[in-house]
Amino acid sequence: DAEITQSPRHKITETGRQVTLACHQTWNHNNMFWYRQDLGHGLRLIHYSYGVQDTNKGEVSDGYSVSRSNTEDLPLTLESAASSQTSVYFCASSEGQGARETQYFGPGTRLLVL
Amino acid sequence: GNSVTQMEGPVTLSEEAFLTINCTYTATGYPSLFWYVQYPGEGLQLLLKATKADDKGSNKGFEATYRKETTSFHLEKGSVQVSDSAVYFCALTPRTGFQKLVFGTGTRLLVSP
Repeated sequence: DAEITQSPRHKITETGRQVTLACHQTWNHNNMFWYRQDLGHGLRLIHYSYGVQDTNKGEVSDGYSVSRSNTEDLPLTLESAASSQTSVYFCASSEGQGARETQYFGPGTRLLVL
Repeated sequence: GNSVTQMEGPVTLSEEAFLTINCTYTATGYPSLFWYVQYPGEGLQLLLKATKADDKGSNKGFEATYRKETTSFHLEKGSVQVSDSAVYFCALTPRTGFQKLVFGTGTRLLVSP
């Protein structure tokens, strides 16, 4: 069955370190998204991609970057981790670009920045 | 701008009780509307969706109707089960522009036996 996976599921790091969170989907979807989930905010969009070599900033992109070198993967990099980036991170993918499209979510990565 | 407002939780119910979780939205034009559910320790799953006014989305006994006149998309279930305990998110995607899901803050549902 097609799926979307994230790794690691849990990560503890120190302030200032570079961290990369992996996202891999086997749906062959063109669109991929990264969100962060924080209490009282729901999910907020960090970055998104509509295809290989395409990346775009979401509403909370400062301190994060992504790259899309193939269809299956969209890794999220925290260039210099900050305590404010402690959160749960979700990757998602979708097939088409219309408003009706369903996004499919991974299981999440819980990140703690000390 | 686009936004979604959900009722604060937690909502605590006994098994077989009737459930309503309120959701209202603000958007330009006519967005698509979604309910996602997050079970403990898991990612979000689509529960149901509606893409135009008066559409009713339904799944697993849950229903929600797209009400343009009241800009609402309330989630209902006639008889909840303990296994329905989860966090429920209302969300919208604008009709135009890029496919950005705008989420409410989520409502936690706790169902006791």
